[in-house]
Amino acid sequence: DAKTTQPPSMDCAEGRAANLPCNHSTISGNEYVYWYRQIHSQGPQYIIHGLKNNETNEMASLIITEDRKSSTLILPHATLRDTAVYYCIVKSNSGGSNYKLTFGKGTLLTVNP
Amino acid sequence: NAGVTQTPKFRVLKTGQSMTLLCAQDMNHEYMYWYRQDPGMGLRLIHYSVGEGTTAKGEVPDGYNVSRLKKQNFLLGLESAAPSQTSVYFCASSYRVSGANVLTFGAGSRLTVL
Repeated sequence: DAKTTQPPSMDCAEGRAANLPCNHSTISGNEYVYWYRQIHSQGPQYIIHGLKNNETNEMASLIITEDRKSSTLILPHATLRDTAVYYCIVKSNSGGSNYKLTFGKGTLLTVNP
Repeated sequence: NAGVTQTPKFRVLKTGQSMTLLCAQDMNHEYMYWYRQDPGMGLRLIHYSVGEGTTAKGEVPDGYNVSRLKKQNFLLGLESAAPSQTSVYFCASSYRVSGANVLTFGAGSRLTVL
């Protein structure tokens, strides 16, 4: 699995867009980019995933660069409830261990009033 | 539809005692997992199951046993608890969407071993 690099922490003003970067320069062609988040004392929550194209759902947008070596998770209008640790994970969708996700330390996003 | 339910939510044990954590999912997911999370660290995979009657070791399996007798349940057992097993335990189950594998987590079980 490709290694990911995320900043340890970020701040964002309430109501503004939060842009969380993730570097995955060794990603291979069949590896997905997943984003999860963990609000304090709760279980992690799935946000979004993508392979090559940009993706959007009701929670966020995922922008993947053309070379796929980095991505950005965008929360368009951050609220105080978006304060959480955000995990970027890269994982192949094939092979014998594609169902095991490895969580690093992630980025602590603090949304300020 | 309750999703993934973990019981108990909190438990205090003495060193050497045994206990079982229960994870139940009502989404008909094939895969289930047990993770532990310690302060300052990410989630670490203990054991996982790819289907009823099957289990496999993750990154940190020592001191734990698991069973998946029914598809909807995944049990994590501690035969002789140690203080090093003080942690928050998360269960998850997963399904495939658009070719990818998406995990749904429970709310966690906080275990303290004295």
